[in-house]
Amino acid sequence: GESVGLHLPTLSVQEGDNSIINCAYSNSASDYFIWYKQESGKGPQFIIDIRSNMDKRQGQRVTVLLNKTVKHLSLQIAATQPGDSAVYFCAESQFGNEKLTFGTGTRLTIIP
Amino acid sequence: NAGVTQTPKFQVLKTGQSMTLQCAQDMNHNSMYWYRQDPGMGLRLIYYSASEGTTDKGEVPNGYNVSRLNKREFSLRLESAAPSQTSVYFCASSAQTGIYGYTFGSGTRLTVV
Repeated sequence: GESVGLHLPTLSVQEGDNSIINCAYSNSASDYFIWYKQESGKGPQFIIDIRSNMDKRQGQRVTVLLNKTVKHLSLQIAATQPGDSAVYFCAESQFGNEKLTFGTGTRLTIIP
Repeated sequence: NAGVTQTPKFQVLKTGQSMTLQCAQDMNHNSMYWYRQDPGMGLRLIYYSASEGTTDKGEVPNGYNVSRLNKREFSLRLESAAPSQTSVYFCASSAQTGIYGYTFGSGTRLTVV
């Protein structure tokens, strides 16, 4: 079946460095992708999204890159801070479809 | 503060017991969702409601029922709880179906013994 997966379940990054979280998807019909951040004991929080007609989208300290050729997206976090420690999920769907498929998550730990 | 409110935050049930998880949003959102989160499984959609008066099954609906009581409230009911339903349950809402800037609640941690 279709699935969204993450390359690495855990990632540790020195404070101040940049981090990259990767995600692979298998549904070639997917055209809408989202990154969520989940802190311990809280619900997921929307970070940034991207549609398939774009390769890159930037937010505040975050950038999402989409490579449709290899069905891969990544989340780049610049100048990481302790507050960035969380689990990050990618999710995919076809725009307008109610069903959003989540990946299993990557735990990002920022080392002081 | 505007957002999604879930109650209760924690619950322990015995196998066979029933309970209802409550969810309310005050953002005038049309669409509401129930997800469960299990270790290593990500979030899986149980049921959703695209608008008041409509509900549809998601990926894992067995053992659950839902009610969209009004535009604000969307409840999830376990009629006969099973240990396999031990999970963290999240309610979410969005302005409209297909717009995925979901706002999630803080979750209900349910343990079935």
